[in-house]
Amino acid sequence: QVQVRESGPGLVKPSETLSLTCTVSVSGASMRSYYWTWVRQPPGKGLEWIGYIYYDGSSDYNPSLKSRVTMSVDTSRNQFFLSLTSVTAADTAVYYCASQSWSGVQRIYYFDYWGQGALVTVSS
Amino acid sequence: DIQMTQSPSSLSASVGDRVTITCRASQTFSRSLNWYHHIPGKAPKLLIYAASTLQNGVSSRFSGSGSGPDFNLTISSLQPEDFATYFCQQTYSSPWTFGQGTKVEFK
Repeated sequence: QVQVRESGPGLVKPSETLSLTCTVSVSGASMRSYYWTWVRQPPGKGLEWIGYIYYDGSSDYNPSLKSRVTMSVDTSRNQFFLSLTSVTAADTAVYYCASQSWSGVQRIYYFDYWGQGALVTVSS
Repeated sequence: DIQMTQSPSSLSASVGDRVTITCRASQTFSRSLNWYHHIPGKAPKLLIYAASTLQNGVSSRFSGSGSGPDFNLTISSLQPEDFATYFCQQTYSSPWTFGQGTKVEFK
């Protein structure tokens, strides 16, 4: 069983950097058992996958955000992090973190445990 | 990017109804399709992965079917806790993409 919780500032000024933390609780396993992913949902819009990171630092980012996104992980603190630079009003969204699992049998990734989300508003 | 189109965008139903939601992909792939349930303010919940595999702990009233480009999520007998928004997601090709959502409302 995995529990994740997002935390960070709810208000960020335009052109500044959005920084979020996801704190993970994993029962009977470790952070190394999963990939760790970020998703966002702007108000009134659909879900957008931002990217994922693995415990070894390997990652994959959505090309639409790649130039502004950095993810990192600290397994000793059971946390992973999202940094999004040069934010604008278009980055206002609920940001979710989630565990991402790989099924070797089905050969598919899926997001099995999500947080409740953190609303981040970009405004001066 | 693979575009995922869900239909309908919303529907009204009653407790006990059978409900089917469709997701169509802009490219063909076999079974790399997941379904989620989301109530605003709560954590999204994985229902089905690999098109038809029920996630552990999820009620058997949920089922998934289909193969690219068309997939279905069926709720055999709608329960009060099922009134929510449902999203499909492809993880066949990065970037992973989601459908726009189907809101299931009380009739």
